[in-house]
Amino acid sequence: GENVEQHPSTLSVQEGDSAVIKCTYSDSASNYFPWYKQELGKRPQLIIDIRSNVGEKKDQRIAVTLNKTAKHFSLHITETQPEDSAVYFCAASSMNTGFQKLVFGTGTRLLVSP
Amino acid sequence: EAQVTQNPRYLITVTGKKLTVTCSQNMNHEYMSWYRQDPGLGLRQIYYSMNVEVTDKGDVPEGYKVSRKEKRNFPLILESPSPNQTSLYFCASSLNGGLSQETQYFGPGTRLLVL
Repeated sequence: GENVEQHPSTLSVQEGDSAVIKCTYSDSASNYFPWYKQELGKRPQLIIDIRSNVGEKKDQRIAVTLNKTAKHFSLHITETQPEDSAVYFCAASSMNTGFQKLVFGTGTRLLVSP
Repeated sequence: EAQVTQNPRYLITVTGKKLTVTCSQNMNHEYMSWYRQDPGLGLRQIYYSMNVEVTDKGDVPEGYKVSRKEKRNFPLILESPSPNQTSLYFCASSLNGGLSQETQYFGPGTRLLVL
């Protein structure tokens, strides 16, 4: 089955810096890669996603890149702000099982210091 | 308001005492799923349901049961809870899980402590 690895597990940056979180996946049939943000005590919420027919997607300060050949995808946050502090999860959805099975990475705790 | 709800939000129980965590969605979603979240392990799928009366095991189903008698509800049942089931549980749903490229919407979570 699918296996998703996520790095780093913790990331500390200064406000205004950029942050990059990287994930690798094992199943070449995976074709959907969402990123979730989980604030302390809250539920995971989708912040951006990318499908396998696209190499990059951007939404204001966040962007995701996908390299299907290498089977890795990354989340980029520019001009970080304290409110970006949260745990971020990547996930990969495999298609060959006939239904949506999201396999999550282990999470990255991002701390943005003022 | 479109949402996924869970009850209870917090629960402390003792080993062996059966409990049920309810999950309900009002978006007419076909696909529903349960996850547990543990430090350093991320979110792991327990069970999922493609539609009414269609359920299947996820990655960590041991010690859990589910049912899907109605489209909107997907309760998680712990017949005989054990301390290793202490965790944060999330229910999630999506419109049609078979499309394989859909956003999953999460409930608020249920924090369970088994003594």
